[in-house]
Amino acid sequence: GPKVLQIPSHQIIDMGQMVTLNCDPVSNHLYFYWYKQILGQQMEFLVNFYNGKVMEKSKLFKDQFSVERPDGSYFTLKIQPTALEDSAVYFCASSFLVDTQYFGPGTRLLVL
Amino acid sequence: GQQVQQSPASLVLQEGENAELQCNFSSTATRLQWFYQHPGGRLVSLFYNPSGTKHTGRLTSTTVTNERRSSLHISSSQTTDSGTYFCAIDPNTNKVVFGTGTRLQVLP
Repeated sequence: GPKVLQIPSHQIIDMGQMVTLNCDPVSNHLYFYWYKQILGQQMEFLVNFYNGKVMEKSKLFKDQFSVERPDGSYFTLKIQPTALEDSAVYFCASSFLVDTQYFGPGTRLLVL
Repeated sequence: GQQVQQSPASLVLQEGENAELQCNFSSTATRLQWFYQHPGGRLVSLFYNPSGTKHTGRLTSTTVTNERRSSLHISSSQTTDSGTYFCAIDPNTNKVVFGTGTRLQVLP
């Protein structure tokens, strides 16, 4: 089936540094999403993105977070600066319309 | 805010038994999706099922929209079915809300 890729699979970073998580969505998809899952907890919606713009974002999507998809390449989540509570697995997803979302394998982020 | 409740929170079965997982939500959802999360964390979409019944293999999903509930039935469970099952809804706001999950363990 359709595949979403995420790079890197793991990232360890010192608190205060910047990190960029990359998502390669399904090629013809138009909607893109980021989710955060702290170990052992449920997945939480962060943001969705369509037509070059953020459509909706949750309270978890702090001012230090930003998303973009320059020139139809990777859909990225940037955190600057990082904080300890940002340690989690971040999942990217994409959908063609407002329908089935396909998820990537996640990026495990550890902030020290 | 929007609530998505799943039950049971956890379930232990012997291989071959059937499972019924429930998802209840507090307001009208434009879309409902069931996911399986592998023990290692990888997510797989099982069904996009905003209404009605869908089947795939040993899995059946039934959503009754006006009653704000959905179920996932697993027949003849296998050890490889072990993991966490999430339902998620989009309550007309594009902010997808995930349920609390059902942790399933199937014993050999």
